[in-house]
Amino acid sequence: RKEVEQDPGPFNVPEGATVAFNCTYSNSASQSFFWYRQDCRKEPKLLMSVYSSGNEDGRFTAQLNRASQYISLLIRDSKLSDSATYLCVVSNFNKFYFGSGTKLNVKP
Amino acid sequence: GAVVSQHPSWVICKSGTSVKIECRSLDFQATTMFWYRQFPKQSLMLMATSNEGSKATYEQGVEKDKFLINHASLTLSTLTVTSAHPEDSSFYICSARHRGTDTQYFGPGTRLTVL
Repeated sequence: RKEVEQDPGPFNVPEGATVAFNCTYSNSASQSFFWYRQDCRKEPKLLMSVYSSGNEDGRFTAQLNRASQYISLLIRDSKLSDSATYLCVVSNFNKFYFGSGTKLNVKP
Repeated sequence: GAVVSQHPSWVICKSGTSVKIECRSLDFQATTMFWYRQFPKQSLMLMATSNEGSKATYEQGVEKDKFLINHASLTLSTLTVTSAHPEDSSFYICSARHRGTDTQYFGPGTRLTVL
């Protein structure tokens, strides 16, 4: 079983839509959680860390469910510029585990 | 803040040559740097973890004699692809972990093409 699993998508949504991605992780001892976005042929860029209490940054909301071992990312009012691959990252001490990414296409 | 640079951004070389890629944390100290490889339409694959002043830890299947990693200071790590072959052509990305945190910041990547 993979350490981190994500639905690869693609998720094709119209501008203005709300879209949510989930990511499950296998190690209950995992300590830190992140969402990164990666544009085509570019490096991943940190979108937000995910805290136990959930956190929001503008149109983006991240949540952690330790009991079910998943994290989620909600994007409200999608913009064309949100089109990218969203990577879920889970860390346990000095090891970081990446999901394979969920591709989002926001269409006009 | 938290800027990581990589050099070169792209390189084309002949088979059999060695290529050195530099990764620098510009405005913070990075006790740990990571080297990844990404093939087209695939996810990032961790190659090795590099701790300042000690030997790198390589992931299973990654040849340490082929991918030489040096982490001589808190702001610089280098990856040397020795005797490169066409199958080594890939996007190599480094990341640096901000000292005292669990957050990684990625360099812009180096696109290596071996002819």
